[in-house]
Amino acid sequence: GQQLNQSPQSMFIQEGEDVSMNCTSSSIFNTWLWYKQDPGEGPVLLIALYKAGELTSNGRLTAQFGITRKDSFLNISASIPSDVGIYFCAGRQAGGTSYGKLTFGQGTILTVHP
Amino acid sequence: GAGVSQTPSNKVTEKGKYVELRCDPISGHTALYWYRQSLGQGPEFLIYFQGTGAADDSGLPNDRFFAVRPEGSVSTLKIQRTERGDSAVYLCASSITTNTEAFFGQGTRLTVV
Repeated sequence: GQQLNQSPQSMFIQEGEDVSMNCTSSSIFNTWLWYKQDPGEGPVLLIALYKAGELTSNGRLTAQFGITRKDSFLNISASIPSDVGIYFCAGRQAGGTSYGKLTFGQGTILTVHP
Repeated sequence: GAGVSQTPSNKVTEKGKYVELRCDPISGHTALYWYRQSLGQGPEFLIYFQGTGAADDSGLPNDRFFAVRPEGSVSTLKIQRTERGDSAVYLCASSITTNTEAFFGQGTRLTVV
């Protein structure tokens, strides 16, 4: 099925560094979401973006909804060991029948070295 | 419990067998979603329910897959004649209504040998 193009696939960083990942699509989305998934767990919502151009923060996380509605990025500042995990972007298309019907990216695996 | 609960956590079955995966949504949540997550991939939408009815089953890969939610709460995903390619984590999510964000369960890891 269709998936969003998420990059990078993996990142290895030192504790304290900033991280940036992004997601692009050939289709327009009216909502972008960013999730984190730990091993053996389901995805947990980090940030939701509902308006083109919107920039939203949640603690050390900042995400933006691209003005073209075809892309989004997530930044994590001053990374800490518990940031380790897999980050997914997800998009919801306009005219969709339900909020929960999402298209996900392939994920970015983040490793933080102390 | 407070969250979405999925059972079993792990299921190993032989090729050709029938399996049922169960999802207990958060109490009071009317919308329920099933996703499949293959190794190294993001979740892929399978089906969602509004109440007892399947509102959108466009993601079900073929007619071996079927899901029910007879009383508008617990849902069961049923897979007939399992194939090795069905091996994946099956995630369930629920939301208060179809216009609110959904919460995911921990998933059921299905392995077909």
